Amino acid sequence: DAEITQSPRHKITETGRQVTLACHQTWNHNNMFWYRQDLGHGLRLIHYSYGVQDTNKGEVSDGYSVSRSNTEDLPLTLESAASSQTSVYFCASSEVLAGAREQFFGPGTRLTVL
Amino acid sequence: SQQGEEDPQALSIQEGENATMNCSYKTSINNLQWYRQNSGRGLVHLILIRSNEREKHSGRLRVTLDTSKKSSSLLITASRAADTASYFCATDTGANSKLTFGKGITLSVRP
Repeated sequence: DAEITQSPRHKITETGRQVTLACHQTWNHNNMFWYRQDLGHGLRLIHYSYGVQDTNKGEVSDGYSVSRSNTEDLPLTLESAASSQTSVYFCASSEVLAGAREQFFGPGTRLTVL
Repeated sequence: SQQGEEDPQALSIQEGENATMNCSYKTSINNLQWYRQNSGRGLVHLILIRSNEREKHSGRLRVTLDTSKKSSSLLITASRAADTASYFCATDTGANSKLTFGKGITLSVRP
């Protein structure tokens, strides 16, 4: 069955370190998204991609970057981790259907920055 | 800022009762979607209603949409303990496949 996976599921890192969170989907979807979820804020969009070599900034993109070298993967990099980036990160994907764009979510990565 | 705002923030009901959750949004939409999130898991899509639809059913779920009031409601009938989760509305404004999520409603169903 098609799925979307994230790794690692839990990560503890130190302030200033570079961290990369992996996202892999086997849906063959063109669209992929990264969100962070924090209490009181719901889900906020970090970056998104509509296909290979395409990346776009979302609502809270500062301090994050993504790259899309193939259809299946959209890794999220925290260039220099900060305590404010402690959060749960979700990756999602979708295919563009006429008038409908349901998103499929991964299980999440809980990141703690000390 | 959030496009969708759910109401109430938390809801506690007895098993077998109906649960009604509301979502209001600010700008015109292409469609509105509801998602469920169980504790420690990713979001799961429940139902999508297009802007030209007023009501939609899926099993024990009923969604309504009032575009004049910019609001939607999700009704879960005959609730079960397994319905305990957080529920999010998400709006699709048609702007490049992006969804904007609300902050969520925590539903607790007591056995």
